[in-house]
Amino acid sequence: NAGVTQTPKFQVLKTGQSMTLQCAQDMNHNSMYWYRQDPGMGLRLIYYSASEGTTDKGEVPNGYNVSRLNKREFSLRLESAAPSQTSVYFCASSERAWGAYNSPLHFGNGTRLTVT
Amino acid sequence: QQQVKQSPQSLIVQKGGIPIINCAYENTAFDYFPWYQQFPGKGPALLIAIRPDVSEKKEGRFTISFNKSAKQFSLHIMDSQPGDSATYFCAASINDYKLSFGAGTTVTVRA
Repeated sequence: NAGVTQTPKFQVLKTGQSMTLQCAQDMNHNSMYWYRQDPGMGLRLIYYSASEGTTDKGEVPNGYNVSRLNKREFSLRLESAAPSQTSVYFCASSERAWGAYNSPLHFGNGTRLTVT
Repeated sequence: QQQVKQSPQSLIVQKGGIPIINCAYENTAFDYFPWYQQFPGKGPALLIAIRPDVSEKKEGRFTISFNKSAKQFSLHIMDSQPGDSATYFCAASINDYKLSFGAGTTVTVRA
């Protein structure tokens, strides 16, 4: 019963390096999301995919790109990492869009990213 | 700016105490108010949720109180235990669309 799996768990990058955060869910959910969590800021939406084949920007999309590879997988790419992107990144999924009533968000355990 | 304002940022209670977390919102169109619980090193998970047509909802030791006229809702943890130590996020959405999260409250329950 894996749920939402994120890799890697930890990553340190130098400014300007690129990387891709991977996310996969095994619950046959339609919608997937990427959030970042920063102290005092809560969870802020970066990008989301309401269904396979669609992606849209969230509150803080600048500096990121996403790919909904198939129904299971949703990746987040940092093209040129900056210290402001130091954060904990969470992937989530839900059966119906937006963690609606009776369709909650299921989160992975996060990727802790440090950009020096 | 955050559409849901959550307070306090952190609180400490003794075992058996009742930590209370408050959230306020401005947009009267919000119609779904969930709370998520996050343990250290883990992702958040849905704890309890309420619709604005009821003023209170209880699930075990967790109670949501909702005040529609004041545009506020709160989470009470009755008879709190050390295992309840976690970060709690309130959230709100309109027509099941674009969930907006509060900043989070870290609750520590001392034995």
